[in-house]
Amino acid sequence: QQQVKQSPQSLIVQKGGISIINCAYENTAFDYFPWYQQFPGKGPALLIAIRPDVSEKKEGRFTISFNKSAKQFSLHIMDSQPGDSATYFCAARKLNFGNEKLTFGTGTRLTIIP
Amino acid sequence: DTEVTQTPKHLVMGMTNKKSLKCEQHMGHRAMYWYKQKAKKPPELMFVYSYEKLSINESVPSRFSPECPNSSLLNLHLHALQPEDSALYLCASSLVDRGNQPQHFGDGTRLSIL
Repeated sequence: QQQVKQSPQSLIVQKGGISIINCAYENTAFDYFPWYQQFPGKGPALLIAIRPDVSEKKEGRFTISFNKSAKQFSLHIMDSQPGDSATYFCAARKLNFGNEKLTFGTGTRLTIIP
Repeated sequence: DTEVTQTPKHLVMGMTNKKSLKCEQHMGHRAMYWYKQKAKKPPELMFVYSYEKLSINESVPSRFSPECPNSSLLNLHLHALQPEDSALYLCASSLVDRGNQPQHFGDGTRLSIL
C-alpha cells in the first residue's frame, strides 16, 4: 500500500516535444506529491509539487496533473530541451510532522535528442 | 549549489575501516534524513531525525550509526561495512510543523567499499 508506480522507465523525446511521465499510488493517506529531478553525480532536486486538492499546477514549462479519484498524477514537460535530460522521480508523502517519509517511484530516465 | 552540504564527496574505505559522513544545513530545518541510493534506483530512507532525536530507523544494520549533534549537523558513522554498502549516501532536510514543505537534498557522498 506504500508503493508508488512510475512509468515509463526510460523516455526519449525530441527537442521541443512534450515529455510525459506517469505515476500511480494506492495509499489514500498520501497528501503531498513532489517531483524530483536528478542529474548524474548530483542529489535529487525538487522540481514541482502538488497537493491532492489541486488538479493541476504549472511552473514554467513543468506541469503536474493530478487525478485524485484515479490515484494518478503525471509530469508534463513542455518544449523539452536537452538540458532536461535527467532522471525524474515522483514521490508521495504522508504528512506526519517530524516523522515524514517519502515514498519514491522507480524513476524515469529522460533523454532529449536534438 | 545545494543548501545541504555533504562531505566528503567521495570516500573509498576498506571493510575494517571506520569513517564518518557529514551533512550540514543552515536553513533552520529541524528534520534531517539519511538516504542510500544505488545506481539507477530511487533513494531509500535510512534514518530520520526530528528536533535532534532519532524518530525513524528503517531497520538499518548497526554498522551504520547516525548522530545529530545539533540542529544544523548530521553525521553517519560507518564501521565494518560490506561491499554491498557501496552507494551514494544522501542527506536531506525539511521544515517541521508546517505542511507541504519539501525535503531538500544534498549532492551526496559516493562511497566505495573495497
